[in-house]
Order: sequence, then structure tokens, then C-alpha cells
Amino acid sequence: SQQGEEDPQALSIQEGENATMNCSYKTSINNLQWYRQNSGRGLVHLILIRSNEREKHSGRLRVTLDTSKKSSSLLITASRAADTASYFCATGPTGGGNKLTFGTGTQLKVEL
Amino acid sequence: DAGITQSPRHKVTETGTPVTLRCHQTENHRYMYWYRQDPGHGLRLIHYSYGVKDTDKGEVSDGYSVSRSKTEDFLLTLESATSSQTSVYFCAISESRSQGAYEQYFGPGTRLTVT
Repeated sequence: SQQGEEDPQALSIQEGENATMNCSYKTSINNLQWYRQNSGRGLVHLILIRSNEREKHSGRLRVTLDTSKKSSSLLITASRAADTASYFCATGPTGGGNKLTFGTGTQLKVEL
Repeated sequence: DAGITQSPRHKVTETGTPVTLRCHQTENHRYMYWYRQDPGHGLRLIHYSYGVKDTDKGEVSDGYSVSRSKTEDFLLTLESATSSQTSVYFCAISESRSQGAYEQYFGPGTRLTVT
């Protein structure tokens, strides 16, 4: 069963706009991670936020985590056509551990 | 793709035949994983390894076996391929970080079609 569920399933925006995607999960976690997957490629790790953190930034990426609502959001600012990809959240189990549980992903299309 | 290769990259096989997929890493990471990716299901864990000869089942392990005889290689075998095993298979690796967090690094994937 999937721990994370992304919302929306698909998102289409214009270049320069911001893109926001959300992830909800069901059980307590140690950390939450976001990955990007370009068409036909493997997943690439973007950012990790721990359960005791509320917000984290990396370049044009901003991730928030609300453990009381069991949800996270990924914001991509000033999007580019190269950001077109699928984005997945993944949760690490409470207490730590190497197994991640992935959501079903959000497909982002950034149009010129 | 972080020093991870998968072979073959594409394979078409017939129902009932055994198939072995190989994952090779040059990062010396302790943990290795096999996932399958299907539309509407995201990534699902098949098996993983936490060291040489140490493996464990994941969420969808039925019909699959694995072996890890060397740190760098993790093999996934479909003992008797079925059409339901048509999928894209990804290998991933990880190493322990602080506070129990593990980032995973993925290979390029193997597209398997069972006819």
C-alpha cells in the first residue's frame, strides 16, 4: 500500500510560474523526501526534510512539513521547461530505517 | 545516475521463462533495492539487501527472488515470468546517514515485457 499520496496527479503551468504539489501520508515518519523523475529515467533525489523540521529550501525548491496534518508540500519557484517531470514524495519510517514508501507522483508540465 | 548501472535496459521474454536482471554499483553502498514501477501504482519495493547475502522481502515479492554475492551486485530473478510482471524495474542504493535518514540513488531502469 502507498504511504504517500500526491495531489494533484497532474499539473500544467506556464514557464515562470510557481508550481506547488502536495503529499499526504498515513503513519508517523522519521523523514520525508522528494524525488524527480524525467521521462524514461530513474528517480533523482531532490530534498529531505526531517520530522522535527517545518521548512527547508534548496535553490528554487521549498519544502514544508506539517506532521500534525501528515502532509508536505513542494514548491518550485520560477519554473522552467526543464522542470517538466514527475515528482514523488517518499517517507522514511519512524525510528529511522532504510526502507522508503513512495507515493504515486505528480506529473508536472511546464509550457513555454 | 550515481554509479549505478542496470542490465539489460530492455528485454522481451515469453511467459514461463526465467529472467535475471542485474544491478551494479560502484559507490560501495550497503543497501540495495529493487522496485517496479507501474502506472497508477508509483514505485513498489520488491526486495532489498542490507549486506552481502542479507536480503529481505518488500511489498510485492511474490514471483521474484534476489541474490547478492558481492557488495556491488544485486540480481533480481523472475523465476517464471508472467504477463503481470511486465513493468519497468529500478534498482536503487543507499547508505546510512545521520538520524536514521536514507536517501536513495536510482539506476536508469530496465523495461521488461513479458509476452
